[in-house]
Amino acid sequence: ETGVTQSPTHLIKTRGQQVTLRCSSQSGHNTVSWYQQALGQGPQFIFQYYREEENGRGNFPPRFSGLQFPNYSSELNVNALELDDSALYLCASSSQTGTEAFFGQGTRLTVV
Amino acid sequence: DQQVKQNSPSLSVQEGRISILNCDYTNSMFDYFLWYKKYPAEGPTFLISISSIKDKNEDGRFTVFLNKSAKHLSLHIVPSQPGDSAVYFCAASATGQGGSEKLVFGKGTKLTVNP
Repeated sequence: ETGVTQSPTHLIKTRGQQVTLRCSSQSGHNTVSWYQQALGQGPQFIFQYYREEENGRGNFPPRFSGLQFPNYSSELNVNALELDDSALYLCASSSQTGTEAFFGQGTRLTVV
Repeated sequence: DQQVKQNSPSLSVQEGRISILNCDYTNSMFDYFLWYKKYPAEGPTFLISISSIKDKNEDGRFTVFLNKSAKHLSLHIVPSQPGDSAVYFCAASATGQGGSEKLVFGKGTKLTVNP
């Protein structure tokens, strides 16, 4: 059974650019959630996808968007990058909403 | 407004002793609580969870206690081992709200277990 994998592991972007982060969910999991973890903070919920539909969103602006594919993998897209978007972005998958979420290793995004 | 609070940024204990990590929450709609452990350069790893219908859940060296009236939960690690040194996050969700059951995390407590 493969775990949650994210790519890339590290990324440096310039302010104003766009970025796409990718996540492969754990085998058998159909729900994917994305979190942003700033330095010294706990992860903050961005949004969740269940069976390819957005299933809840946290307090993040519309320039944060996502997709889930038929194989339940997912993308997080961020447009018009700002310096404050620099953070660790975590993807978590679960077998159904409300159960334990299993996290990937994260993508460290640095915006300069 | 932080709904999940871990008021101790760090904790240091001796190997073999008990580690107690605390967590408080403010949202009475939370009904499911989880603890995650995080090593540097890795994602959080699920440790143990508890539903609000219980007041204790045990898994090996890890026990989570829930006091709903006080909106408080704690994670006990007995005996503590040097490999337990990591950042521990408390998380909560409101599973019955028909929403996304998003996890709300505390800021974490860095545990150091000294040999």
